[in-house]
Amino acid sequence: NAGVMQNPRHLVRRRGQEARLRCSPMKGHSHVYWYRQLPEEGLKFMVYLQKENIIDESGMPKERFSAEFPKEGPSILRIQQVVRGDSAAYFCASSPVGPREQFFGPGTRLTVL
Amino acid sequence: TQLLEQSPQFLSIQEGENLTVYCNSSSVFSSLQWYRQEPGEGPVLLVTVVTGGEVKKLKRLTFQFGDARKDSSLHITAAQPGDTGLYLCAGEGGSNYKLTFGKGTLLTVNP
Repeated sequence: NAGVMQNPRHLVRRRGQEARLRCSPMKGHSHVYWYRQLPEEGLKFMVYLQKENIIDESGMPKERFSAEFPKEGPSILRIQQVVRGDSAAYFCASSPVGPREQFFGPGTRLTVL
Repeated sequence: TQLLEQSPQFLSIQEGENLTVYCNSSSVFSSLQWYRQEPGEGPVLLVTVVTGGEVKKLKRLTFQFGDARKDSSLHITAAQPGDTGLYLCAGEGGSNYKLTFGKGTLLTVNP
């Protein structure tokens, strides 16, 4: 019974490049959430998606960041033209119904040089 | 904006001691979750509390939700080195779609 999977686990990018982070939710889960965790800070909500729909993107920066959860395949968090301040751990979580009891993946640690 | 304050921020104790960590807010939550996160990994859900005054036990861990559903506590009895980790509380606010997380309590249990 596979949990939430994220890849890559570690990603290094130079300033100006694009970062693509992937998340496969648990089987049977149709709700996906993305969070960012900075050192010394808590988990910050970025975006909530259901299949083919963005439900709430209020925590995601308006520029350079986008997310999708297509009908087939994993959810993708895309960061264009990365800057050093984007360096963080990005976590994906899934749930069967709504925000309660989310199950987290192992995270992708993004380092921008 | 809903905020969750966790205390203490850091806690270092010896194996066998008891401890309590707190999660407080001025906002009412429809549910509250506790997670534990180890270095380099994602948070792992420990428990969800829903009803004001609710108490749940998970082996040596006891979780309580405040009567007004604004605060919660986690009590660990006879702590073990395996309990070491970052303990996070997260509140569900009802009509919105996201969990609000506290910054966590970093617990170290020394052998």
